[in-house]
Amino acid sequence: SQTIHQWPATLVQPVGSPLSLECTVEGTSNPNLYWYRQAAGRGLQLLFYSVGIGQISSEVPQNLSASRPQDRQFILSSKKLLLSDSGFYLCAWRTYYTGELFFGEGSRLTVL
Amino acid sequence: SQQGEEDPQALSIQEGENATMNCSYKTSINNLQWYRQNSGRGLVHLILIRSNEREKHSGRLRVTLDTSKKSSSLLITASRAADTASYFCATDASGSGNTGKLIFGQGTTLQVKP
Repeated sequence: SQTIHQWPATLVQPVGSPLSLECTVEGTSNPNLYWYRQAAGRGLQLLFYSVGIGQISSEVPQNLSASRPQDRQFILSSKKLLLSDSGFYLCAWRTYYTGELFFGEGSRLTVL
Repeated sequence: SQQGEEDPQALSIQEGENATMNCSYKTSINNLQWYRQNSGRGLVHLILIRSNEREKHSGRLRVTLDTSKKSSSLLITASRAADTASYFCATDASGSGNTGKLIFGQGTTLQVKP
C-alpha cells in the first residue's frame, strides 16, 4: 500500500533562518507531487507541483523553492524565512491514473 | 486565485441532523472533489464527481454537481459527532493536462453537537 511521510511535524524558526521540509512517498512510482500551504482557518494554496524528477512548477512567486531530487522525494526550502511564511504545509501525491490527492499529515511552521 | 468558494463558512448542527455544504467555482472542470480535514491533520479524500455526472453517493454522503451553475453540494445525512471537521471542495480544471493540480476552496467548518 502507498504511504506518504512528511517531516518535521512542527518547527519554530526565527526570521531569516533557512527552512527544509521533506516529503517522501512509498509504494508507488512516478507520482505527481504537490506542496500546499494553509493559513489558519483558511483553504489550501498550491505552492509547487512536480510531474517528474527535477521538474518543478511554481504557482505563486514567493520566498520558497522546491526540489525533487528523487522520484518519490519532494523538498520545500527557503534560504531566509519571513514572518509571512508561517503556516501549515501539506505535501500530497497522486498518480496519472487516479483522480484524488493523498495528503501527508502536515508540517506546522511558526516563524518568530 | 482560489477556484472554489464554500458556503456556509461555518455550520453547527445536532447529531442526527443533515448537513449541507455548497461550493461554487469559476472555470470549466474535469471533476470536482470533496475532502475532509480534522483539526491539525492532513486532508482525506471523500468523493469525486466527474463533469458528466450529476449526482453521486458514498455511504452517508451525497454530492451533486450542476455545471451550468458551476456549483456543487455535499450532503451528510444522519450526522454524527465524529463528522465534526472542515470540509473542502477542490476542482480539477479542464486543460490542466497531466499536472493534476487541484484548486481548493476556503472550506466549511462543521460542528456536530452530541
